[in-house]
Amino acid sequence: DAKTTQPPSMDCAEGRAANLPCNHSTISGNEYVYWYRQIHSQGPQYIIHGLKNNETNEMASLIITEDRKSSTLILPHATLRDTAVYYCIVRVGKGQTGANNLFFGTGTRLTVIP
Amino acid sequence: EPEVTQTPSHQVTQMGQEVILRCVPISNHLYFYWYRQILGQKVEFLVSFYNNEISEKSEIFDDQFSVERPDGSNFTLKIRSTKLEDSAMYFCATSSSGNTIYFGEGSWLTVV
Repeated sequence: DAKTTQPPSMDCAEGRAANLPCNHSTISGNEYVYWYRQIHSQGPQYIIHGLKNNETNEMASLIITEDRKSSTLILPHATLRDTAVYYCIVRVGKGQTGANNLFFGTGTRLTVIP
Repeated sequence: EPEVTQTPSHQVTQMGQEVILRCVPISNHLYFYWYRQILGQKVEFLVSFYNNEISEKSEIFDDQFSVERPDGSNFTLKIRSTKLEDSAMYFCATSSSGNTIYFGEGSWLTVV
């Protein structure tokens, strides 16, 4: 089952930063934190992932706490097209048992408001 | 940007019929996956495939399901005798190294 806890829904004003929290208190040392999103039943879209360091790409930033028990996905300037369900997924590294299985929970439904 | 392509986008089939869903992976990707999402439910892992064999499968992936890569490019999911409960969106996904997994837009299967 999913090893993460996320709020079921959040709102964010267009143009503002969207901060999506995720708790993964039972994360192991060899497990990564992945973020995906799903826009209206389309295929899940990869956003970002990290192990222990903060990560940034063209889509978002990922802040992982020092104890790795929680993380925050930051969309710096949310647009209406960012309205989607965001999934935080804990996953073991390649080559380990279960590495192929992304456990999707129920995620956070982010609504960007004009 | 390269993407995973799935066909058909939507298929309606009668219960008991065989269905084949097709996927064209991103070029040079070597790891292939099928996931499904029943309407209103979570995305669920079905199977992973690497080096021409199944590397992992879930309990959902029973004997009525099979996968293959018949021509070295397309990756297919076959459902041998469809049941009503097989109605779902089926997502193909691929990865170059087994790390980041990229999903297609899905094939919506309706069994009547």
